[in-house]
Amino acid sequence: DAGVIQSPRHEVTEMGQEVTLRCKPISGHDYLFWYRQTMMRGLELLIYFNNNVPIDDSGMPEDRFSAKMPNASFSTLKIQPSEPRDSAVYFCASSALGAPSGELFFGEGSRLTVL
Amino acid sequence: EDQVTQSPEALRLQEGESSSLNCSYTVSGLRGLFWYRQDPGKGPEFLFTLYSAGEEKEKERLKATLTKKESFLHITAPKPEDSATYLCAVQATNSGYALNFGKGTSLLVTP
Repeated sequence: DAGVIQSPRHEVTEMGQEVTLRCKPISGHDYLFWYRQTMMRGLELLIYFNNNVPIDDSGMPEDRFSAKMPNASFSTLKIQPSEPRDSAVYFCASSALGAPSGELFFGEGSRLTVL
Repeated sequence: EDQVTQSPEALRLQEGESSSLNCSYTVSGLRGLFWYRQDPGKGPEFLFTLYSAGEEKEKERLKATLTKKESFLHITAPKPEDSATYLCAVQATNSGYALNFGKGTSLLVTP
């Protein structure tokens, strides 16, 4: 299996622009998570889905952030408008029901820089 | 509120010099405690799950242990390839599948 695939790997944009991050989970996994990592705050959970349905979005910072999972093989995280404080590495992870609880498979991340 | 605190923030060891990393946690009800390894520019990679106090797991030079308040990741005779950031996370019984991560310990093993 190719693992969790994220794109783009790097994104540099200007404040106010829309940013869309994409994720393809491992085939057969029914949980998908979006995390954000910064030096100051570490890894923070933004939102997670089960069978394409958002379960917990309490970590989404504000209305500028939105996430969708239209099908089992694709998810997006959108930031509109972007701000410099959104600069971070965004990780997508997936897991399978029945796997040891907490065993998440992470992608390589999307490094976002907002100027 | 669930909290996970890892110490030290950074650790430098000579090859072969054993040591331990600490993860202290407070959680209303613990479903599981997890250790991950993260290499620079990569996503975290799962290492262990511990479910109850007294449990231990081993993998090569790594051994994870759990008490009611903390977990230790023991590294025996480390090699340079063990250099990475080690992350601890907890999953509470009332948090569904969400993991709450600590900020990690950055380990450097020199030859």
